[in-house]
Amino acid sequence: SQQGEEDPQALSIQEGENATMNCSYKTSINNLQWYRQNSGRGLVHLILIRSNEREKHSGRLRVTLDTSKKSSSLLITASRAADTASYFCATDPLLSGGYNKLIFGAGTRLAVHP
Amino acid sequence: DGGITQSPKYLFRKEGQNVTLSCEQNLNHDAMYWYRQDPGQGLRLIYYSQIVNDFQKGDIAEGYSVSREKKESFPLTVTSAQKNPTAFYLCASSPGPYTGELFFGEGSRLTVL
Repeated sequence: SQQGEEDPQALSIQEGENATMNCSYKTSINNLQWYRQNSGRGLVHLILIRSNEREKHSGRLRVTLDTSKKSSSLLITASRAADTASYFCATDPLLSGGYNKLIFGAGTRLAVHP
Repeated sequence: DGGITQSPKYLFRKEGQNVTLSCEQNLNHDAMYWYRQDPGQGLRLIYYSQIVNDFQKGDIAEGYSVSREKKESFPLTVTSAQKNPTAFYLCASSPGPYTGELFFGEGSRLTVL
């Protein structure tokens, strides 16, 4: 059951530019998380935002959450070639009972060119 | 170094054969998970375990089996009943319920010949 959908599917930018990725979901959530995956590797957790939070920052990352629109955005500022990866949003549905049964979207493939 | 170790990284299997993927963690986490990832898609939950000797089916459990005899270990068997087993398999763990973040291994890529 895919809950999150990322937009765009792919994004190509130059170093130094900002990258914005969006995520929409369908059901009420406990929290929403963003993960990064380098090609052929495991996922790495970036940031978690709870349903009662609207914005969160971590280094060059800024995440917003709009529960009324069931959407979130991830902004990477001053991007670097090393940011090239796929980025996934994952939701923890309210009815999951707190078991961290995250539901992942299909991801956004980000390419940052030197 | 604490972390999650998956093995093997690459595995080839003939049709009709069962294969077991290993997942070991030394993070002292209670919960462990298996996800499947197909090209260009997100992760789908196969099985999860919140405590030793207990596990639950995820969204796509058919054709898979697991065991949780030790806190550190959560092996996944892909059986011959799984009709399309070629995929990238990811194991994850978390400290327990309501803790949010998942910690992932590096994955195992299974190819059926």
